[in-house]
Amino acid sequence: DAGVIQSPRHEVTEMGQEVTLRCKPISGHDYLFWYRQTMMRGLELLIYFNNNVPIDDSGMPEDRFSAKMPNASFSTLKIQPSEPRDSAVYFCASSPGRYNEQFFGPGTRLTVL
Amino acid sequence: AQSVAQPEDQVNVAEGNPLTVKCTYSVSGNPYLFWYVQYPNRGLQFLLKYITGDNLVKGSYGFEAEFNKSQTSFHLKKPSALVSDSALYFCAVRAPGSNYQLIWGAGTKLIIKP
Repeated sequence: DAGVIQSPRHEVTEMGQEVTLRCKPISGHDYLFWYRQTMMRGLELLIYFNNNVPIDDSGMPEDRFSAKMPNASFSTLKIQPSEPRDSAVYFCASSPGRYNEQFFGPGTRLTVL
Repeated sequence: AQSVAQPEDQVNVAEGNPLTVKCTYSVSGNPYLFWYVQYPNRGLQFLLKYITGDNLVKGSYGFEAEFNKSQTSFHLKKPSALVSDSALYFCAVRAPGSNYQLIWGAGTKLIIKP
C-alpha cells in the first residue's frame, strides 16, 4: 500500500485566496483525521471522519475552514479566504479502527503571504 | 482536565548510551497510550502502543515503553541510541469514553550525538 497520500506537498498563496488540500487515506481505513502543526501550538486535531461522516469538527478554527469526505478514498480541507496565520503544516491521517494507531501522510506545508 | 505532558523539550544523548523520553498523563480510567516519531519534513510514524496486558511494550526500531499506572507514566526507552534516532517524539493518550480524540503531548526533540 502506498500509505496516506496528500497533495500538494507545498502550497504558497496570497492572503484572501482559496486553498484546497487533498488526502487519500489508506484503503480500508474507516477513520480519517485532519491535523495542523505549528511551532506555537503543536499538533492540533481539526476534524475527523468515520465512514465518510464528520464526527467532531470542534477543532476547526473558524468558519473559513471546511472539510469534506465525498467517498472512502478522498477528503479535502478547504480554507477560504486564507490568512497568514493559517500558515502551518497540515497532516491527514487514517486509521482502521477506533482503537488502532493512526497512519499519517507526509503533510502539506502551507504558506500564506 | 485530561492531559499529556512531555516535560523535556529536548533530550541529548551520546550514541551508544541508553535513552529515555518521558511522558506522563492525566486521564480518568484506563488509558490507551501511544508513541510516535517525526523525522524532519515527514509525517508522524507510529512506534508503539499500550492498550492492556504486559506493562512493557516493544515497538519499532528497538524502542520500548513501560506503562506505570501508579506514576501515570509511559516513558519511551532504548538501550543503545543511534544517531539516526534523532527526531521529534510525541506521546499521545486516548481516554476511555472519549470521542476517540487523541490527546497529544507537545513533543520532545531527541538529539543523539556521535
